[in-house]
Amino acid sequence: GQQVMQIPQYQHVQEGEDFTTYCNSSTTLSNIQWYKQRPGGHPVFLIQLVKSGEVKKQKRLTFQFGEAKKNSSLHITATQTTDVGTYFCAGLTLNYGGSQGNLIFGKGTKLSVKP
Amino acid sequence: DAGITQSPRYKITETGRQVTLMCHQTWSHSYMFWYRQDLGHGLRLIYYSAAADITDKGEVPDGYVVSRSKTENFPLTLESATRSQTSVYFCASSESGIGTGAYEQYFGPGTRLTVT
Repeated sequence: GQQVMQIPQYQHVQEGEDFTTYCNSSTTLSNIQWYKQRPGGHPVFLIQLVKSGEVKKQKRLTFQFGEAKKNSSLHITATQTTDVGTYFCAGLTLNYGGSQGNLIFGKGTKLSVKP
Repeated sequence: DAGITQSPRYKITETGRQVTLMCHQTWSHSYMFWYRQDLGHGLRLIYYSAAADITDKGEVPDGYVVSRSKTENFPLTLESATRSQTSVYFCASSESGIGTGAYEQYFGPGTRLTVT
């Protein structure tokens, strides 16, 4: 079945270092979403990417969608302690008619930041 | 604006008991979802609903029952709880459905369920 793999599972960085998490799908995606979950909290929507090769930025966060729409990445520049949490990607595949689909979450990358 | 709420936030129950987790949203979103989150598995979809009286299975529906008589409520029932159902359960809602455009999901605070 469809799988969305996310690596790494854990990442420990020193504050100020950069961080990247990668998401890879076994099938071509219609679009991809990214969520952040703070420790003890719930997932919060960050962004959605739709177009092949799309790049979006939110302050220090840069999101990319691969040309083949099978992979995506989230890069954080100069991490801060407020970036701590688990980052999930969620890939969507649609049926031929586009009326239904499956949204599959990756297992997440847990980021810890040492001050 | 209450958004999306879940109750109870914490629940301990015994194996074999029936337990119902409640989810309520105030946005009148059409779509609602139930996920479970376990270490090493991420978020897995249990059931979802496109509208009142329309529900469908997700990835891991066995042992769960849902209903949606009103747009704003989407309760999840464990008919006979098992230890393997110990998890954190998240309810979510979205304005649009898959295939109809932006469908960012808004998650509730979660219910931590322990089955002993």
